[in-house]
Amino acid sequence: SQQGEEDPQALSIQEGENATMNCSYKTSINNLQWYRQNSGRGLVHLILIRSNEREKHSGRLRVTLDTSKKSSSLLITASRAADTASYFCATGALYNQGGKLIFGQGTELSVKP
Amino acid sequence: EPEVTQTPSHQVTQMGQEVILRCVPISNHLYFYWYRQILGQKVEFLVSFYNNEISEKSEIFDDQFSVERPDGSNFTLKIRSTKLEDSAMYFCASSEVRAGGHYEQYFGPGTRLTVT
Repeated sequence: SQQGEEDPQALSIQEGENATMNCSYKTSINNLQWYRQNSGRGLVHLILIRSNEREKHSGRLRVTLDTSKKSSSLLITASRAADTASYFCATGALYNQGGKLIFGQGTELSVKP
Repeated sequence: EPEVTQTPSHQVTQMGQEVILRCVPISNHLYFYWYRQILGQKVEFLVSFYNNEISEKSEIFDDQFSVERPDGSNFTLKIRSTKLEDSAMYFCASSEVRAGGHYEQYFGPGTRLTVT
């Protein structure tokens, strides 16, 4: 089954540094989405990249998608303490199946001031 | 900014009892979803709902579960005869219908269900 798996599982950096998180998946996808989850809270949608796109930017976020390698990366530039959260990639099915998302295990990012 | 809301934020119930988790999706959205996240595990898809019927459901979503849109604003998840392993955070989400099947899903804050 299609599955997003992130690495690293945990990442600790200093404020101002860049954070890169990777995601791999197994089957063909329609899109890949990144979400943030603060401890014990809901999921916040960050960015959606379609399978025919290679790169997308949103503010300090940069997402790349390599469908040949079935992988994606999320780069957060100039990180802030407020970026501390868990980050999940989620893959959207190739065929219209109601839009279900398959989530990975997530990367726990800690940004130290 | 419109958001998905969920009630209650925390529900404690005894094993074998029925619970109803409630969600109010974003008003112009047409697709609705339930996901759950067992503590320390990944978020798992339960069911999607469109045009008053289930679009897709996972193997987790067995006869113990049901969903309903009782009126124009609420979307509910009913869990009959709860088990200890149903303890989890349950998230409701909604999305617009977009061309090409690209659905940005907007999640509610979740309901923490504790079965004792």
